[in-house]
Amino acid sequence: GDSVTQMEGPVTLSEEAFLTINCTYTATGYPSLFWYVQYPGEGLQLLLKATKADDKGSNKGFEATYRKETTSFHLEKGSVQVSDSAVYFCALSPMDSSYKLIFGSGTRLLVRP
Amino acid sequence: DVKVTQSSRYLVKRTGEKVFLECVQDMDHENMFWYRQDPGLGLRLIYFSYDVKMKEKGDIPEGYSVSREKKERFSLILESASTNQTSMYLCASSGDSPRNAFGSGTRLTVV
Repeated sequence: GDSVTQMEGPVTLSEEAFLTINCTYTATGYPSLFWYVQYPGEGLQLLLKATKADDKGSNKGFEATYRKETTSFHLEKGSVQVSDSAVYFCALSPMDSSYKLIFGSGTRLLVRP
Repeated sequence: DVKVTQSSRYLVKRTGEKVFLECVQDMDHENMFWYRQDPGLGLRLIYFSYDVKMKEKGDIPEGYSVSREKKERFSLILESASTNQTSMYLCASSGDSPRNAFGSGTRLTVV
């Protein structure tokens, strides 16, 4: 079945460092891909999305490119801030069940001053 | 902005109790979802509903049931709570797109 695999955390970085969180997926056809962020004590918020191959989603300095050839959707940010400390979830929505989301296990990011 | 409200942030219940978790959304969304979140496992879908009185099992429905009597409200029911149901429970809603709006979560502890 469809699935999402994320790199395990926690990821610890210093402020202004470059961030990459890897995400790969297994799915039939062309799913939609998402990154959600969960700040401490809160629910999940949509960070960015991409709905077709080679699309780049971006928001708040974060970017991710839908790579069909490598079935990946890695999250990147050029310069992280302490306020980016959170748990990040990669997710996909299958082509045949567009209302459904399948999540990865989440990656905790800790940014130190 | 869509608001999804879960009735409790924290709950402590005893083994064997019947537990109700309530969720309300204010955007007239057709779809509503209940997930549980556990460390290292991400979010797993328990049940979802695509219309009033309609429900479908997700990936881990055992030990749970749901109720959707009104479009804006979706309840998760633990018929007889067990310690392995200690978890964070997240409610979400969506319209036609899979862009889910999430509630803040209910952390349930079963003792």
